[in-house]
Amino acid sequence: GAGVSQSPSNKVTEKGKDVELRCDPISGHTALYWYRQSLGQGLEFLIYFQGNSAPDKSGLPSDRFSAERTGGSVSTLTIQRTQQEDSAVYLCASSLQGGGSETQYFGPGTRLLVL
Amino acid sequence: AQSVTQPDIHITVSEGASLELRCNYSYGATPYLFWYVQSPGQGLQLLLKYFSGDTLVQGIKGFEAEFKRSQSSFNLRKPSVHWSDAAEYFCAVGNAGNMLTFGGGTRLMVKP
Repeated sequence: GAGVSQSPSNKVTEKGKDVELRCDPISGHTALYWYRQSLGQGLEFLIYFQGNSAPDKSGLPSDRFSAERTGGSVSTLTIQRTQQEDSAVYLCASSLQGGGSETQYFGPGTRLLVL
Repeated sequence: AQSVTQPDIHITVSEGASLELRCNYSYGATPYLFWYVQSPGQGLQLLLKYFSGDTLVQGIKGFEAEFKRSQSSFNLRKPSVHWSDAAEYFCAVGNAGNMLTFGGGTRLMVKP
């Protein structure tokens, strides 16, 4: 079946602009995660959604970052007023129900470059 | 707070040789442990995971890992490496919450 998909694959933007990154999780998966992969910081957790519960936003690095998940499926990560340090690969993952022992299935990522 | 350390940033092995990638974790309770592989330009693919039971875990592509509580380790092994195994490997720990904490990764290069 279809895996996690993300769009766009690559995004180049100018400093100060807003960007939106999209994630389509595996059908039927109620848990969705965003991670960031950068040279300096490695792989970092950003935010977690599970069903209708309030999201765990504990990993968001600043208030310029926000995410929503509409209808329990597609998620959008928004970065406002982008900075050069936001350049990274943004990875989305989904799992069946959430929980520490579940396998998270990752998408191919969106590579963001802020000029 | 939980953490994961992968001491080797780069490893080079000859094709057909055995491989061991090291992973040490810090976590207060019984951890959920994962190994993922990332090929260039690709997302992360799960190789194997441990959360209870037998401490020797078998995964895909001929990989295995052994959970050693006394050493806080979860090292990944493969008896004979293939050129297609060249990639970056990430060890991760999951908690009772939901986030994964990743190690810094080990980049594997395979010599012909």
